[in-house]
This record gives sequence, C-alpha cells and structure tokens, in this order.
Amino acid sequence: AQSVSQHNHHVILSEAASLELGCNYSYGGTVNLFWYVQYPGQHLQLLLKYFSGDPLVKGIKGFEAEFIKSKFSFNLRKPSVQWSDTAEYFCAVNPLGGQTGANNLFFGTGTRLTVIP
Amino acid sequence: NAGVTQTPKFQVLKTGQSMTLQCAQDMNHEYMSWYRQDPGMGLRLIHYSVGAGITDQGEVPNGYNVSRSTTEDFPLRLLSAAPSQTSVYFCASSYRPSSTDTQYFGPGTRLTVL
Repeated sequence: AQSVSQHNHHVILSEAASLELGCNYSYGGTVNLFWYVQYPGQHLQLLLKYFSGDPLVKGIKGFEAEFIKSKFSFNLRKPSVQWSDTAEYFCAVNPLGGQTGANNLFFGTGTRLTVIP
Repeated sequence: NAGVTQTPKFQVLKTGQSMTLQCAQDMNHEYMSWYRQDPGMGLRLIHYSVGAGITDQGEVPNGYNVSRSTTEDFPLRLLSAAPSQTSVYFCASSYRPSSTDTQYFGPGTRLTVL
C-alpha cells in the first residue's frame, strides 16, 4: 500500500543540537513533497515544499530538506535547534496524476520534537 | 482575512447522534478539504472539494457527508456518530486545486464520541 513513513516518533534534543527527521514514501510516480509543523496549540503550517529542481530546499526558520529520489526520502534538517522549535512535524506527499485528487495530501504519522533549553 | 475558521473547537457526542462541523474560509479558495488526525496515524483525508458544487471522497470517507454550496463553506456532517470517529478534525483550503498552492489549515475541532 502507498504510504508515508516517519520513523522517529519522539525526538528529544538540547538547544544548539543538529536535527534530522526522516521521511520516506512509497509512491512510485512523480510526487510533490512537504513538511508541515504544528506548534503546541496552533494550526498546521507549511515549513517547506519540493516540486522540482534543486533537491535541497530551504524553508522558514532555518529548516531545509533534501529530496533523494533513489531513496524515496525527503528528510528534514536544521543545523541548530532552538527551544521554540518544540513542535510536531509532519511529512506529506501529493502524488501527481492517477486518481489522486488535486491537492490531496498523504501525511506521515508525525514526529514530536522536544528541545530542552 | 480570518483565514480558515472551524466551529466548534470542542464537541462531545453520544453514539448515534448527528452533528455538523463547520469550516469557512474568506480567501476565495477553490479547494477545500477535511482531514482527521488520530494518535499514531497522522492526518488522513476524509473528503475534498475542488469548487462549489463539486465534492469527492478521500481516504476515509465512511460515516461522513459533505456539501459545497458556496465557495466559502465546506461543512462536514456526521450522520450517526460512532466512538471510532473520536478524533481531531482539520479543515484546509488552497487557492487552486493544485499542490503547488499552499494549503492553509484551520485550528481544528476536537470531537469525542461516547
């Protein structure tokens, strides 16, 4: 079955540590890729997205992600986390073509990040 | 702009009751959708709409109905609530039904079915 996997369920880091959150997907065709963040008590908001071109994309708040097509991966990175990065992070995929609807997203299960001051 | 608004924020229902979760956006967005978020399962698409008068099913449509009579509103109806529908429900919208357009999410409705 098609799916989006986030293997890290809960990550705990100290401030200034580097972050990498994994995301793998199983859709075989062309996909658009997204990372969303949900801060405590807030809406989901877009961190970054990849459609085509340079596989290294930069988003808001110093986050970046690298698309590796051969590995079906879209890992999120940040060189130095801050306490304010404490949130839940979701990887999402929009498979293009086929019967999938226009802007429909398939989400991973999420990774909760706790940053300790 | 108020963005995407959802009401109510919290709701408790008894099994078999019906209710409507409201979603509205004031950004003239064509595309609207409903997701449910369950622990350990991420967000799953329930229904979506690519414009007024057009709706379609997502991954988990059973037990839910939708309609889109106006561009602004996209209500989600639970006809006969079941405990399995206990979840947090998010509405989202984008300007066009294209994944190149950023989706904006509402604040969510936390529903408990007893």
